[in-house]
Amino acid sequence: DSGVTQTPKHLITATGQRVTLRCSPRSGDLSVYWYQQSLDQGLQFLIQYYNGEERAKGNILERFSAQQFPDLHSELNLSSLELGDSALYFCASSVEPRTGLNTEAFFGQGTRLTVV
Amino acid sequence: DAKTTQPTSMDCAEGRAANLPCNHSTISGNEYVYWYRQIHSQGPQYIIHGLKNNETNEMASLIITEDRKSSTLILPHATLRDTAVYYCIVPNAGGTSYGKLTFGQGTILTVHP
Repeated sequence: DSGVTQTPKHLITATGQRVTLRCSPRSGDLSVYWYQQSLDQGLQFLIQYYNGEERAKGNILERFSAQQFPDLHSELNLSSLELGDSALYFCASSVEPRTGLNTEAFFGQGTRLTVV
Repeated sequence: DAKTTQPTSMDCAEGRAANLPCNHSTISGNEYVYWYRQIHSQGPQYIIHGLKNNETNEMASLIITEDRKSSTLILPHATLRDTAVYYCIVPNAGGTSYGKLTFGQGTILTVHP
């Protein structure tokens, strides 16, 4: 158990709809990251939030958005869904480093989104 | 992230050591080498990381060459549960985003009975 919790585990929805994926990071981790894993693209970084603010952005579509709340949980919102958005969505968290300290990221078990 | 090159797939007999190579010839002096693995659609799992000295933890050992251009992840006694995709990643130095990772194709390790 990584300590990162994602809900729901599975989601089936229709094209054009909007869904929200939720992530609770490990206790004490200020950074949250979202990844998409589709069959043809592999694991792709989408976006990072640190203590409520956006810190880094990857190949995230304009139809997708995220936020991190004061209690540090994060939500990934996917709208105007297309068949190609079907994928596994992972959330990860990490501590904010002190000088000279390298650490690792902890991943949740993912949300499998199926768009029909 | 510095580019890494890994073999597409490898096989290993159960109980034997699995040695997974990674080439990272463009690595900078202060960049770390990280290894993660993903077991069949589960979330990626951190294994180990190192800078220039060899590292060992309860999961694996990491051997980094003296010139730091390549490394080898060693699973000393592979089990069937070690069958997974193994990713070698070199994140950008100086960043504070340890979860912002560039995953390549990785190495599919299959452990046989």
